[in-house]
Amino acid sequence: DTAVSQTPKYLVTQMGNDKSIKCEQNLGHDTMYWYKQDSKKFLKIMFSYNNKELIINETVPNRFSPKSPDKAHLNLHINSLELGDSAVYFCASSLRQGSRDTEAFFGQGTRLTVV
Amino acid sequence: DAKTTQPPSMDCAEGRAANLPCNHSTISGNEYVYWYRQIHSQGPQYIIHGLKNNETNEMASLIITEDRKSSTLILPHATLRDTAVYYCIVSQGNNRLAFGKGNQVVVIP
Repeated sequence: DTAVSQTPKYLVTQMGNDKSIKCEQNLGHDTMYWYKQDSKKFLKIMFSYNNKELIINETVPNRFSPKSPDKAHLNLHINSLELGDSAVYFCASSLRQGSRDTEAFFGQGTRLTVV
Repeated sequence: DAKTTQPPSMDCAEGRAANLPCNHSTISGNEYVYWYRQIHSQGPQYIIHGLKNNETNEMASLIITEDRKSSTLILPHATLRDTAVYYCIVSQGNNRLAFGKGNQVVVIP
């Protein structure tokens, strides 16, 4: 009954490869996010989708492409992986209520290691 | 950039109340104070949020000063499972959350 689930939990890959991380939420939320936590433990928002539409796109390299096939899923595809992409990636979701969002529910994270 | 200041770490005794301070002197009138925590190797977990008034839920209480420049998160009876990094965040409520370094809280038996 995991509310926000990410797969895989761990991902080790070589530089230059293309990889995807999947996220699904079963909370009935309409807004989903990707956050990145770097080696210094800073957690920063990357993208936000509301009803499958991109609403937040921070200054993220265009090698990162989020895709939302429906409101319950937000996948993250990364092309040409670099060493600096190594981090923990968290998916989150919330519900839009008027001009505000309810609190965010986070997944357990995907630890990406690029070698 | 985080708009809040928290102590980098603190210890508290199991069973006692834990008071976690946060300064947010540049908070805007339409910004809320949110608290999240991150237990080791897990995703962040929402605790509580408030605008002006004090708030309480099953996890914690949030005390916001009248000038809204600072707040205190109170864990009424700390347990070992409350050991985590606690983040105080100001946000307009759009979940564009700017996590700072947080406060590493260790609950000691």
